[in-house]
Amino acid sequence: NAGVTQTPKFQVLKTGQSMTLQCAQDMNHEYMSWYRQDPGMGLRLIHYSVGAGITDQGEVPNGYNVSRSTTEDFPLRLLSAAPSQTSVYFCASSYSMARGAYNEQFFGPGTRLTVL
Amino acid sequence: AQSVTQLGSHVSVSEGALVLLRCNYSSSVPPYLFWYVQYPNQGLQLLLKYTTGATLVKGINGFEAEFKKSETSFHLTKPSAHMSDAAEYFCAITGGGNKLTFGTGTQLKVEL
Repeated sequence: NAGVTQTPKFQVLKTGQSMTLQCAQDMNHEYMSWYRQDPGMGLRLIHYSVGAGITDQGEVPNGYNVSRSTTEDFPLRLLSAAPSQTSVYFCASSYSMARGAYNEQFFGPGTRLTVL
Repeated sequence: AQSVTQLGSHVSVSEGALVLLRCNYSSSVPPYLFWYVQYPNQGLQLLLKYTTGATLVKGINGFEAEFKKSETSFHLTKPSAHMSDAAEYFCAITGGGNKLTFGTGTQLKVEL
């Protein structure tokens, strides 16, 4: 298993540009999520999905869109990048709590994004 | 709603000394609590978790944590620090669903 993969590893954007951060998992996990990590703020939840076709907002969703057309993929779209979106982005996945017990969330290696 | 507070954004210990990283939580329902470790330029790795049952939980790399309901705490300890323990540590909580809420992190430095 490759686990959770993210591309690209690094990206530099100019203000106003759009881009998509890719996330894929090969563990057949129902639950997938996106976090951003900023110094001194820990990880904050942007969007999450409990299954294909179902997404919901987390703590800091503004400026980001997601979709979940397949179980494996959960891309994060920046519609019009702003310097405030400079951050490290992590994707995570796990089995759903609906299976009856807590299941570990597995994290990808992250995408480091700089918006100029 | 759930939240965690990590006391001390930076902790420095000598190699061989006790490691103690503090985490206090707030939750209106029985919490599930976790410690994650992040090595430089890497993703997060689960160290240990408390869900139900035994309140002293052991994790990887010699770390352990004790769930104390009366103190609303879940502090992480390791008897003897090693240089390889230098990393950032995050406490996290969920109220039973998949959504994790993280603390702000503690950077652990291990000195010779």
